[in-house]
Amino acid sequence: QSVLTQPPSASGTPGQRVTISCSGGSSNIGTTYVYWYQHLPGTAPKLLIYRNSERPSGVPDRFSGSKSGTSASLAISGLRSEDEADYYCAAWDASLSGYVFGTGTKVTVL
Amino acid sequence: QVQLQESGPGLVKPSQTLSLTCTVSGGSISTDSYYWSWIRQPTGKGLEWIGRIRTNGNTNYSPSLRSRVTISLDTSKNQFSLRLISVTAADTAVYHCVRESFGSSKWSYGLDVWGQGTTVTVSS
Repeated sequence: QSVLTQPPSASGTPGQRVTISCSGGSSNIGTTYVYWYQHLPGTAPKLLIYRNSERPSGVPDRFSGSKSGTSASLAISGLRSEDEADYYCAAWDASLSGYVFGTGTKVTVL
Repeated sequence: QVQLQESGPGLVKPSQTLSLTCTVSGGSISTDSYYWSWIRQPTGKGLEWIGRIRTNGNTNYSPSLRSRVTISLDTSKNQFSLRLISVTAADTAVYHCVRESFGSSKWSYGLDVWGQGTTVTVSS
């Protein structure tokens, strides 16, 4: 079961800014780093953000991450049609000694 | 460029054992900078972390699967494997093998290389 809670959906028009929240607890987001993954249909998930706010090489700076307390968020600015995908947050959970994923958010570009 | 490729049966009968192998190409599995992981996604559902293994033998498993799962390494073949016993229909999913990078750091750089995934259906 998912320990991290995300809104099931988010949407915006091209060029807009969309923000996705990820809510956890003291044993995961509250004490460890948050990671974000983009999952396009039919492809393997892709690492978007690591260690709360760092972008791997090749990820556009339109994607940004932040964390505060036991919550985190992913922002997509300058929304594009190719951003239409499922987005997952993840974090290590010290109590479970394992990774937990968020429930996932489907982003639709209107 | 490191690539991961899953292989194994696409159909497993209930109560039997699911066995998958991940072949790593373009890099050595023996490097201590990485954990080698398995993640699955049931149809219509989200991502679920199964577990991981490091070259030094360290393993971590999801608490919900710990009693049924084993992840192992074969450094001679540059492969790692997943074994899940006593499967049920709830284990039907796309299974991905994934690399998690640490470098020399205590903290993860994330699940940065993913296999395309293989669909496993549990049905009689």
